Amino acid sequence: AQSVTQLDSHVSVSEGTPVLLRCNYSSSYSPSLFWYVQHPNKGLQLLLKYTSAATLVKGINGFEAEFKKSETSFHLTKPSAHMSDAAEYFCVVSPFFSGGYNKLIFGAGTRLAVHP
Amino acid sequence: DVKVTQSSRYLVKRTGEKVFLECVQDMDHENMFWYRQDPGLGLRLIYFSYDVKMKEKGDIPEGYSVSREKKERFSLILESASTNQTSMYLCASSLYSSGSPKEQFFGPGTRLTVL
Repeated sequence: AQSVTQLDSHVSVSEGTPVLLRCNYSSSYSPSLFWYVQHPNKGLQLLLKYTSAATLVKGINGFEAEFKKSETSFHLTKPSAHMSDAAEYFCVVSPFFSGGYNKLIFGAGTRLAVHP
Repeated sequence: DVKVTQSSRYLVKRTGEKVFLECVQDMDHENMFWYRQDPGLGLRLIYFSYDVKMKEKGDIPEGYSVSREKKERFSLILESASTNQTSMYLCASSLYSSGSPKEQFFGPGTRLTVL
């Protein structure tokens, strides 16, 4: 069975400091992994995705994530936080389906607060 | 830009009422999905559809049904609303996936309160 664990429900950082949001996954297959962001009162937006190409994936707004198979992790990082990064972040795993549609399994979410 | 719209941002209904949540996408996507979002639980899949008139149960289909009569429109139906269905409901769509999973595009959500 596939599952995702986000290790922190809340993370608080100061503006200009690094961001680390941790995610571990469990998958019987070679998974595809995503990070989505949800700003207050807005829909979810894709930050980045990993689909078995390069293990270091770059996304929008300066975020990146590294796929580590040996650690079953897909942590999200950003070198320098900005106030506009305050949002909820979801780590997502997608097991492979051959039927033309992919099911997403969401983690519980990590709420990122950025302080001046 | 891909656009997924949902008929209401906020909805208040009474226990036992029949509730319709509508979702429309404008990018000719084959796949459409309904999720509910609850604090600490992330998003959970209720139903999805990969073609007109086709539907598949997700992880929590009990108490819900869906309808897809046209490619661009996917409706979620609560036959008899209950207080435990108070939640944020999110609709999403994606292209057909012949290999690696395709990005899902999300609507802004409908916050449903059942009294």
